[in-house]
Amino acid sequence: SQKIEQNSEALNIQEGKTATLTCNYTNYSPAYLQWYRQDPGRGPVFLLLIRENEKEKRKERLKVTFDTTLKQSLFHITASQPADSATYLCALDHQAGTALIFGKGTTLSVSS
Amino acid sequence: EAEVAQSPRYKITEKSQAVAFWCDPISGHATLYWYRQILGQGPELLVQFQDESVVDDSQLPKDRFSAERLKGVDSTLKIQPAELGDSAMYLCASSIRDRSESPLHFGNGTRLTVT
Repeated sequence: SQKIEQNSEALNIQEGKTATLTCNYTNYSPAYLQWYRQDPGRGPVFLLLIRENEKEKRKERLKVTFDTTLKQSLFHITASQPADSATYLCALDHQAGTALIFGKGTTLSVSS
Repeated sequence: EAEVAQSPRYKITEKSQAVAFWCDPISGHATLYWYRQILGQGPELLVQFQDESVVDDSQLPKDRFSAERLKGVDSTLKIQPAELGDSAMYLCASSIRDRSESPLHFGNGTRLTVT
């Protein structure tokens, strides 16, 4: 069956460290993978998109990698801050033109 | 920055009652989605519109849920009758086009509680 798995439900790290979140998928061949941030009681907010032919994408303190052989994407936040505390969702397309399918999310807590 | 508007923000209803949610997407966005998010889970697609046409409603429980986007702009999602298991956050999102590389812009949702 098709699955998207985000490594853990919760990740706790110290301020200033790098947070690494994992998104694994099975039985999909996505052309794109996206990452979203969701704060409690709010809708998800788009962060980054990476294409299947891209290995890495960066935006400020964020970095996303996409390994289609491992069927895995890694999402990194460097120099993490308490304001980065939120739930991070990965999402992919299972067929061109179809709606995104989301993982359950990983809740990141950054303590000062 | 333009936003997706949703109302109401919260809705409490008794089971067997009817309930409706409204969404106004970002101007010019042809594609509109309704997702349902249960606490602790990721959003799950209910229905996708391209302009006024339904593209995908395969996951919409059609015996009780209906959705429309009559003029290809704003949209309404209705549940009748509501059941206890319908308690969730209902999220509307829009994108410029229906391609996978188009980021979704979400509203802040309607939190539905069925008692």
